[in-house]
Amino acid sequence: SAVISQKPSRDICQRGTSLTIQCQVDSQVTMMFWYRQQPGQSLTLIATANQGSEATYESGFVIDKFPISRPNLTFSTLTVSNMSPEDSSIYLCSVVRGTGFDTQYFGPGTRLTVL
Amino acid sequence: AQSVTQPDIHITVSEGASLELRCNYSYGATPYLFWYVQSPGQGLQLLLKYFSGDTLVQGIKGFEAEFKRSQSSFNLRKPSVHWSDAAEYFCAVGAMRTTSGTYKYIFGTGTRLKVLA
Repeated sequence: SAVISQKPSRDICQRGTSLTIQCQVDSQVTMMFWYRQQPGQSLTLIATANQGSEATYESGFVIDKFPISRPNLTFSTLTVSNMSPEDSSIYLCSVVRGTGFDTQYFGPGTRLTVL
Repeated sequence: AQSVTQPDIHITVSEGASLELRCNYSYGATPYLFWYVQSPGQGLQLLLKYFSGDTLVQGIKGFEAEFKRSQSSFNLRKPSVHWSDAAEYFCAVGAMRTTSGTYKYIFGTGTRLKVLA
């Protein structure tokens, strides 16, 4: 398994500002992912955080809006930039230990409200 | 295109009754399939997964799922539901990005289970 922490757990932000969410894992992992989950909805993959290189973004998500860093094998950050109320959501970090398809372990999530 | 469909948005069952949650996937290669549960106020937790081999897989909390390639389905079952099973259930498939060879996971829209006492 993997123990994952996310900071902050929740935040209320003003329109036009940015928020950086941190994801910390208790041991090294190969893959780290960032998802968005709007209330009562499914998970939408934002991007894969790649260690030492640029993140791989899914269609509809761009680096300028959601810059991601992954400086090592246990830590990643997601920034939500120039926020609008439409960015209000739960942001989830997940990790995979193996090199192929395997179990994802999820963080507790960050609940973001943009006013 | 790769996709996962969960046809039932909401399901209500009585405690002690059997349960089946449907999941259909669209993926050209051998699928890697998962069921996750998200309980109120809790994080997502893996119930079970299928990679290969026996098409009937057992998971935690008394759940099982059957992979049927001919029907592109991976339905989740439980013979007797407990009140604590009330939660959101997500089916997911592992998919390769054709352009880069890296992989990702695609989730279905989820099924919300309500259990009546």
